[in-house]
Parts: sequence; C-alpha cells; structure tokens
Amino acid sequence: ETGVTQTPRHLVMGMTNKKSLKCEQHLGHNAMYWYKQSAKKPLELMFVYSLEERVENNSVPSRFSPECPNSSHLFLHLHTLQPEDSALYLCASSQAYLGTEAFFGQGTRLTVV
Amino acid sequence: DAKTTQPTSMDCAEGRAANLPCNHSTISGNEYVYWYRQIHSQGPQYIIHGLKNNETNEMASLIITEDRKSSTLILPHATLRDTAVYYCIVRSTGANNLFFGTGTRLTVIP
Repeated sequence: ETGVTQTPRHLVMGMTNKKSLKCEQHLGHNAMYWYKQSAKKPLELMFVYSLEERVENNSVPSRFSPECPNSSHLFLHLHTLQPEDSALYLCASSQAYLGTEAFFGQGTRLTVV
Repeated sequence: DAKTTQPTSMDCAEGRAANLPCNHSTISGNEYVYWYRQIHSQGPQYIIHGLKNNETNEMASLIITEDRKSSTLILPHATLRDTAVYYCIVRSTGANNLFFGTGTRLTVIP
C-alpha cells in the first residue's frame, strides 16, 4: 500500500466510448503524474501536475485529457481511443515537482477493443 | 539524465543475498542513484536512493563506488516476494522525470 489509489483496476472500453481513470493520494504530496506502460516498453511519462497546474505534457494525443481538480485527485479522461492505447496506466505522486521520490498506484489495466 | 546499464535478468536462491549491479559511468555530480522495483502487474515501488555514501533502509542496501560510476543494490535475504523487475535510475535534483529503462528481472528461486 503506497498511499496512491487508482480506480478502476481494470477497464475494457470500445473505441467510441468515453471513460475516466481516477487517482487519489492523501500523502500531502504536491505533484502528481500519469505514466503509460505498454507491453515490453519502458514507462512513458504522459503528464505532470504541480500544485494543481499542468507543468508537462509529453506529446500525448488529445484523446487523452488530464484533469487535476485539487492536489489529492488526478483524472485521465479517455475518448475515441485506439487498440494501441491498451496499456497499464500508472499514477504517481511526489512531495515536490522536482527531485523527490515518487510513489505509484497499482495502475489501471486498460484494454481498448 | 545519465544512462544506466543493468543485466537483463538474474536468479537468486531464496534466503540468500541478491546483489543487483548497475553501471552509470556518465553520472554527473548532482545526480542521485534511485532504485525502484515493479512486481508483475503492479506499479513501481520506491526502494532506496543515494548520492555518494552507502545507504541502508528496511528494504535494501545501496553501495555506490567511490568514483560513482556504478552501484549495487543488495537485498540481504531474498524471498519469493522479491521476484520483480528492478530499475536503476540516475536523476538530478532538478529533474522531474524518472526514466525507467528495461531494468533487471530478478527471479528468486525456492
């Protein structure tokens, strides 16, 4: 138990669906992250929020839309995804935006059919 | 951030020490060495980090060579639950990203 909770743990969605992934942390951390882990590939950083403001967006397609309503919650809204978007989506948080260790959630295993 | 090199896989007998090496020959003075692990189908778990002194916590020990070009993560008494992919990451204090690479797949054998 890392203190970072992701829901749902598993999600199957069609290419025309709209769904959202949720991440919650009550560690008092100020930075939150979305990572994508595809099969046999390293983790890829998608988005970074620091004090509820987006500070990085690493060339992620617009069909992925993050939202950070407060410092404890982070969402990833999904729409019109492709089968190649199937992956493990990981949320992480850290005390500060720069230079501190990150704590990861268990991830959401997403399958796009 | 500096690049790291790790063996692709290693085996370790249960109850023995697991020593996982990492080369980071291009590390610069302000870069820390971090270790994470990822058990199958779970998120990565922070283990330990250090700058130049050896570090120990309840999970592991980190030995960094004097020239800082390599390090070793030591799990003193490996258990079956330590089977995971272990990532060695070099990261400066001014960097927000953790580049995980492909890591070392450690298999603890009964």
